Amino acid sequence: DTGVSQDPRHKITKRGQNVTFRCDPISEHNRLYWYRQTLGQGPEFLTYFQNEAQLEKSRLLSDRFSAERPKGSFSTLEIQRTEQGDSAMYLCASSFFTSPYEQYFGPGTRLTVT
Amino acid sequence: RKEVEQDPGPFNVPEGATVAFNCTYSNSASQSFFWYRQDCRKEPKLLMSVYSSGNEDGRFTAQLNRASQYISLLIRDSKLSDSATYLCVVNNRRGGADGLTFGKGTHLIIQP
Repeated sequence: DTGVSQDPRHKITKRGQNVTFRCDPISEHNRLYWYRQTLGQGPEFLTYFQNEAQLEKSRLLSDRFSAERPKGSFSTLEIQRTEQGDSAMYLCASSFFTSPYEQYFGPGTRLTVT
Repeated sequence: RKEVEQDPGPFNVPEGATVAFNCTYSNSASQSFFWYRQDCRKEPKLLMSVYSSGNEDGRFTAQLNRASQYISLLIRDSKLSDSATYLCVVNNRRGGADGLTFGKGTHLIIQP
């Protein structure tokens, strides 16, 4: 399967713990995006990378959130001191630079903070 | 006002019928428009882009009305497999570099 993959698919954590998610984009894609989706809502943009450079961060991305894409391939999203409001599906997507709107999404990581 | 607004539905439609739904956007400077489809507990997938001249892909027709700031999606001869949530998506930036703004989605149920 050469699509976008995310790991883990599910994560349950206690409030206050740190969590880290991984996204492996489609290998030829140089853009990588992170979104968050809660029940009944559309995905909300968090941040995106072009190669290893983080080019934009949404105001939704509080200082407890950090994302990296150190070698321009896979990316990680870390949430420190998790809160119950962080419970959501975290979606990763990738695209070509030349077709930034044709984004291919991964299956997501469902985070539950108890 | 939300950047992208959609009627959440659900729209219950008999198989074979034609169904249409709209989406409105608030930023008159918005540049690019799309419909994505999301099946239950699955990731969103691009259905089609929406061009000013309107565009058609098989049973699906998308139209853009810039003056009224709305986008529409028409599905003809609906199939059971069309049951899904349809997300209206807008990109507001020139040059197309950043993330997309999604509506909440319209839930469509095709009934046999």
